[in-house]
Amino acid sequence: EDKVVQSPLSLVVHEGDTVTLNCSYEVTNFRSLLWYKQEKKAPTFLFMLTSSGIEKKSGRLSSILDKKELFSILNITATQTGDSAIYLCAVGGNAGGTSYGKLTFGQGTILTVHP
Amino acid sequence: NAGVTQTPKFRILKIGQSMTLQCTQDMNHNYMYWYRQDPGMGLKLIYYSVGAGITDKGEVPNGYNVSRSTTEDFPLRLELAAPSQTSVYFCASSYSNSYSYEQYFGPGTRLTVT
Repeated sequence: EDKVVQSPLSLVVHEGDTVTLNCSYEVTNFRSLLWYKQEKKAPTFLFMLTSSGIEKKSGRLSSILDKKELFSILNITATQTGDSAIYLCAVGGNAGGTSYGKLTFGQGTILTVHP
Repeated sequence: NAGVTQTPKFRILKIGQSMTLQCTQDMNHNYMYWYRQDPGMGLKLIYYSVGAGITDKGEVPNGYNVSRSTTEDFPLRLELAAPSQTSVYFCASSYSNSYSYEQYFGPGTRLTVT
């Protein structure tokens, strides 16, 4: 059974701090790892990583995947109050049959950024 | 494009009642999914579909049913609602592509069973 574990479960920081969110996984025939940001509504897509060691970057957010050690990190530099959200990590594998496209989600990290 | 739409946004059910959560997407995605999210938790897959007429169970299917008669629509049926089904329900869709696992989410339905 595929499994995704995120840490920490919650994090409280002040504006300007840098945070690192962790995601470790076990999945059959790994295909991709995705990060989503969820404010008080539906998750919104941040990154998809498929290759090890290649950093994806968008503004102050960046993410990298280590397929050997089965984990990913999401970094947020110079945090702002607008970064307060739940950050979800999900992995997609291929166990055959109709499993293409299925994602297994972690429990999420709740990030709170104080002014 | 409206993307993924869900109705209703909110609903309160009494124990034992039934209801259908509606989900429609206009992106011509073959794959569609239903998740539930309990407070402080990630998303758990209830059912999914890889195309019209094909559905399969996810992690937590008990107490739910689905159908997929068209590419666009993927309704979720709750029979005999129980308090344990109080949750936020998200519908999602994706391309049927072994290299793109990005899922697009609807705005969610907040369901309370009392």
